[in-house]
Amino acid sequence: DVVLTQSPHSLPVTLGQPASVSCRSSLSLPQDDGNTYLNWFHQRPGQSPGRLIYNVSDRDSGVPDRFSGSGSGTDFTLKISRVEAEDVGVYYCMQGSHWPYTFGQGTKLEIK
Amino acid sequence: EVLLVESGGGLVQPGGSLRLSCAASGLSVNRNSMSWVRQLPGRGLEWVAIVSSGGATFYTDPVKGRFTISRDISKNTLDLQMTSLRAEDTAMYYCAKGAVLAGVYWGQGTPVTVSS
Repeated sequence: DVVLTQSPHSLPVTLGQPASVSCRSSLSLPQDDGNTYLNWFHQRPGQSPGRLIYNVSDRDSGVPDRFSGSGSGTDFTLKISRVEAEDVGVYYCMQGSHWPYTFGQGTKLEIK
Repeated sequence: EVLLVESGGGLVQPGGSLRLSCAASGLSVNRNSMSWVRQLPGRGLEWVAIVSSGGATFYTDPVKGRFTISRDISKNTLDLQMTSLRAEDTAMYYCAKGAVLAGVYWGQGTPVTVSS
């Protein structure tokens, strides 16, 4: 199975400051169809995960533009330009390029 | 509006069976890729099974031969038949529409506890 390794495990951030989460894959994710199926999810306490980003850098409908994704091959990054209170929770990367689809272990964002 | 509502979770003894169901509205389960994803205690997420729009099914190794994903077109539901349940199957089970392309939706989940 493809292993996704996220860092950091915990991310304390001051409101209004930027934040960044890294995701490294054990296998290259680009596919023959030209897509790289790397997604980012956000889970607030007590809620189901909601997807933020797909195809490395495409934002899902309704996702604020302070969220952005980048990367290629095996290294990917989620960035939040200015953290807001509603951004607390756990962030997961997830790959859909190779079955079984797999998730990273999560990064917990908290407000300092 | 797309809405996915899971049901059927509960407490079951090891070796027992359970059938989960996901009622879909705002979409046809028959025309979409549909999945079950579970979240284990301590928050780890695992993609359990997927059925493509064409009907192909795929399972993660730990559940192969024990779980069956299926669609009921008449009820517009996605089901997961789980047999020979083990303690390590204890998790919150989520139904999801789509996986990698635009337009992904998840339900709120149904909890499964396997314990004697």
